[in-house]
Amino acid sequence: QVQLQESGPGLVKPSQTLSLSCSVSGGSTSSVSYYWTWIRQPAGKGLEWIGRVYTTGNTDYNPSLKSRLTISIDTSKNQFSLQLLSMTAADTAVYYCARGPWGRYRVDSWGQGTLVTVSS
Amino acid sequence: QSVLTQPPSVSAAPGQKVSISCSGSSSNIGNNYVSWYQQLPGTAPKLLIYDNNKRPSGIPDRFSGSKSGTSATLGITGLQTGDEADYYCGTWDSSLSAFVFGTGTKVTVL
Repeated sequence: QVQLQESGPGLVKPSQTLSLSCSVSGGSTSSVSYYWTWIRQPAGKGLEWIGRVYTTGNTDYNPSLKSRLTISIDTSKNQFSLQLLSMTAADTAVYYCARGPWGRYRVDSWGQGTLVTVSS
Repeated sequence: QSVLTQPPSVSAAPGQKVSISCSGSSSNIGNNYVSWYQQLPGTAPKLLIYDNNKRPSGIPDRFSGSKSGTSATLGITGLQTGDEADYYCGTWDSSLSAFVFGTGTKVTVL
């Protein structure tokens, strides 16, 4: 069974860039069967899909974040990553990495999530 | 603001049934598969239903999904206290070229 683990800073200053990584075990980011996904959830609020990356490096992004967002994949490390520029307090949230199958896409496996707070 | 609308909350007594609606449009629910997620307090969400009405291994048949036109419904029968959670629908939006989640519904067992 695949396991996903987020890593990165818990605190980011306003205007700075957030960089998160997700380590995958029990599965391979080289697989052609899955997309690797980022999702976030502000405290007390709903889920927001951030975007996904395929093993080829192809990406799909949430249009509301696209101008600030880069999702990349490193199959040699079995990891994928998120970079979000110009962070503001509105970006404070629990960030989840996850997996979804190619084709009839849904999110079938989730990491435990990591809280990122934007504050000076 | 989500393009998929759910009721903020539903409630029922133990053993009863609840239904949660998810309303969208032709660019999302109307032409794509719907999935449902359960988020217990303080935990990551879990896939509950996929492809409109299929259950992953280990999900009891008390949980069911259906879709009609541009709306989908999650049903929970034999309600248990352990079902108290937030529930989200999700689907691909072809106009946005992005996956979208519903606004979320809190289920309370009275």
